[in-house]
Amino acid sequence: QQQVKQSPQSLIVQKGGIPIINCAYENTAFDYFPWYQQFPGKGPALLIAIRPDVSEKKEGRFTISFNKSAKQFSLHIMDSQPGDSATYFCAASTSSGSARQLTFGSGTQLTVLP
Amino acid sequence: DGGITQSPKYLFRKEGQNVTLSCEQNLNHDAMYWYRQDPGQGLRLIYYSQIVNDFQKGDIAEGYSVSREKKESFPLTVTSAQKNPTAFYLCASSTRPTGNKQYFGPGTRLTVT
Repeated sequence: QQQVKQSPQSLIVQKGGIPIINCAYENTAFDYFPWYQQFPGKGPALLIAIRPDVSEKKEGRFTISFNKSAKQFSLHIMDSQPGDSATYFCAASTSSGSARQLTFGSGTQLTVLP
Repeated sequence: DGGITQSPKYLFRKEGQNVTLSCEQNLNHDAMYWYRQDPGQGLRLIYYSQIVNDFQKGDIAEGYSVSREKKESFPLTVTSAQKNPTAFYLCASSTRPTGNKQYFGPGTRLTVT
């Protein structure tokens, strides 16, 4: 019930392409869905997040699409750049008593070729 | 500079030894978290603390221990009971236990041989 399934495991696109990373969840108690970006040897950094009452959210070149009925959400990176090459994690969060806990997907290693 | 510091960046230990990883934050955050990251896997929660002198087990707490004596500090001890301790360990914090945004430190890579 707590799993978040992420695909693909790796993705290679040309500069300017639009990589799409997908995540699916089962637990309907999840109410916050962030995406994190992680560069090698660094900690993850929050990129963008969405709540289930919204179907889409854009921040710069990053867009989250959310399908509540299908229990799926995805990250789109418009006009991708080599500097976007990183590992991307989706996550889902729910309150557990008085604390929030994040459940992470397994990650997608994105490579943007120049 | 505000943020989360973890030290050291790389740590090497012999099997059977306990080792303590440091995590300090100057963000005045109430909640702190420890995650473990293995290659090809997402982050898994080890322990979290909502307030000083209080902490709860996460999904994979076996073989680990923590303390929270100060708001700024949340050290993690990897004990000899942890069967596969070699991993990348990440500390995070959030403004309050119910806060959505978690900020991560740079991580400590622990290698046990």
